[in-house]
Amino acid sequence: AQSVTQPDIHITVSEGASLELRCNYSYGATPYLFWYVQSPGQGLQLLLKYFSGDTLVQGIKGFEAEFKRSQSSFNLRKPSVHWSDAAEYFCAVTGGGNKLTFGTGTQLKVEL
Amino acid sequence: SAVISQKPSRDICQRGTSLTIQCQVDSQVTMMFWYRQQPGQSLTLIATANQGSEATYESGFVIDKFPISRPNLTFSTLTVSNMSPEDSSIYLCSAGAWGANTEAFFGQGTRLTVV
Repeated sequence: AQSVTQPDIHITVSEGASLELRCNYSYGATPYLFWYVQSPGQGLQLLLKYFSGDTLVQGIKGFEAEFKRSQSSFNLRKPSVHWSDAAEYFCAVTGGGNKLTFGTGTQLKVEL
Repeated sequence: SAVISQKPSRDICQRGTSLTIQCQVDSQVTMMFWYRQQPGQSLTLIATANQGSEATYESGFVIDKFPISRPNLTFSTLTVSNMSPEDSSIYLCSAGAWGANTEAFFGQGTRLTVV
């Protein structure tokens, strides 16, 4: 069965600092990987996705993620965080079939 | 991309009653799903909404409690039946296409409070 682990429940960074959110997945074949962001009271917005090809994926809002098969990881990064990035971030995996499995989420707080 | 509209966006319901949530997608999509997000939790898949046939439910979810309809490729409903306070959650509709161009988009969710 597929699974996703987001080891950090809460992360606090200062505005302008760099950010890395960790995601580890378990899947028997090549996974499809996603990062979503959920702002308070909002649905999920897709930040980026990885299917194949270049392992460094660029997304919206200045985010990027790197797929590392050897580490079963798909960490999300941003070089300079803005106060508006405060939200909850979810990593998700699917085998390209039809079901997304989500991690437990990382709550990001940005200090001004 | 697909734009997904859900309604209602929120509701407060009495225990024992039922609520039907509607999900409308602005384009034809292959797959539609319903998720539940309990307070402070991640998303859990309830079921896959199949066009013209019975939904496919995940372990722990049953049709009598969460009947789902999908009459066409752009519309689905989820009913939360005989509600109890434990059903207080955000319910999210998701839609997309799968395969070489896998995409998965979400509606803004329905925040349900059962009192």
